[in-house]
Amino acid sequence: AQSVTQPDIHITVSEGASLELRCNYSYGATPYLFWYVQSPGQGLQLLLKYFSGDTLVQGIKGFEAEFKRSQSSFNLRKPSVHWSDAAEYFCAVVPTGNQFYFGTGTSLTVIP
Amino acid sequence: DTEVTQTPKHLVMGMTNKKSLKCEQHMGHRAMYWYKQKAKKPPELMFVYSYEKLSINESVPSRFSPECPNSSLLNLHLHALQPEDSALYLCASSQTGGDYNEQFFGPGTRLTVL
Repeated sequence: AQSVTQPDIHITVSEGASLELRCNYSYGATPYLFWYVQSPGQGLQLLLKYFSGDTLVQGIKGFEAEFKRSQSSFNLRKPSVHWSDAAEYFCAVVPTGNQFYFGTGTSLTVIP
Repeated sequence: DTEVTQTPKHLVMGMTNKKSLKCEQHMGHRAMYWYKQKAKKPPELMFVYSYEKLSINESVPSRFSPECPNSSLLNLHLHALQPEDSALYLCASSQTGGDYNEQFFGPGTRLTVL
């Protein structure tokens, strides 16, 4: 079955530490890939997206993600986390057309 | 203008009430979406409009009635809702045709059904 998996439901990191959030998908062809962030009670904000080309994608707020076709993964990274990064993070996949398939989300807590 | 606006921000309604949620964008996007999101869960697609025509209805109960009066405006009419319909309702828009473009999300309407 087609799916988007975010294996980590909740991650806690210290401020200043590095971060990696995992996303795996199971679709036949390479889909369009996105990472969104959602602060409590807010809408979703796009961090970055991958359509084609360079597999290392730079986004806003110092985030980057790397597409690995062999692993069907699109992991999100940040070298140094800030307290304001605490939020819910969603990976999303668009296999064809305009329909999004969201992962279940990863909740990030940042401790001082 | 790269913003999707939603009104109201919060809505409390009884099970016999009729209310409407409103979404607006002025980015020239011709696809608009309604999502329902429960706490700590991903958004669930409800409806998709493309060129002001309903193109996807994800088996949503008839107590939710979408309307797209023009290319900038999307409404969601609510009637006889249940407490389990309490959630954050998100609107989004995107371009259509050609290479895919990302969906731009509004801030949502927090709905509570008593």
